[in-house]
Amino acid sequence: DAKTTQPPSMDCAEGRAANLPCNHSTISGNEYVYWYRQIHSQGPQYIIHGLKNNETNEMASLIITEDRKSSTLILPHATLRDTAVYYCIVRTAVSNYQLIWGAGTKLIIKP
Amino acid sequence: ETGVTQTPRHLVMGMTNKKSLKCEQHLGHNAMYWYKQSAKKPLELMFVYNFKEQTENNSVPSRFSPECPNSSHLFLHLHTLQPEDSALYLCASSLVTSGGPNEQFFGPGTRLTVL
Repeated sequence: DAKTTQPPSMDCAEGRAANLPCNHSTISGNEYVYWYRQIHSQGPQYIIHGLKNNETNEMASLIITEDRKSSTLILPHATLRDTAVYYCIVRTAVSNYQLIWGAGTKLIIKP
Repeated sequence: ETGVTQTPRHLVMGMTNKKSLKCEQHLGHNAMYWYKQSAKKPLELMFVYNFKEQTENNSVPSRFSPECPNSSHLFLHLHTLQPEDSALYLCASSLVTSGGPNEQFFGPGTRLTVL
């Protein structure tokens, strides 16, 4: 599975949109982009995933570039409870078991 | 609530003790996972059970012994652990189908301290 690169930390003001970037320049055609987050001392929580089209759900939007080498997770109206470590992961449909976790981005929402 | 529960939430044990961690999922999933998360390290996959059969064992020491009696329950039996085994142990489950990848749902974890 391809590796991902994320900034180690970001700040965002409460109520503003939080845009978290992820670079996956070696992604291959059958690899999906997944986002999870982990609030302090809790288990990771699934947020969203996509293959090549942009996706939106009740938690966030995922924007994938046309060449699929990078993506951005958007939290449209960040709240203090969105403070967490956000993980961007790419994996194939066949590697159903292995999620290769990196260090993620520590997002801090400030009042 | 994710539909995945873990007990106990906190555990302190000596190096000669034997203890077990329990995980239960109420989501109708058919795959379950154990992960280890040490301080300042990424999550590490330990074991995978798919349809109750162990399909992955990522070079985990034998002092960790998993058990999956059915598709809803997963145990991790611990014996003669070392202080460096202190970590957050996370259980997850997912629905494995032929249609593509499926997200994993995680429990809250068991914070283990080995003295």
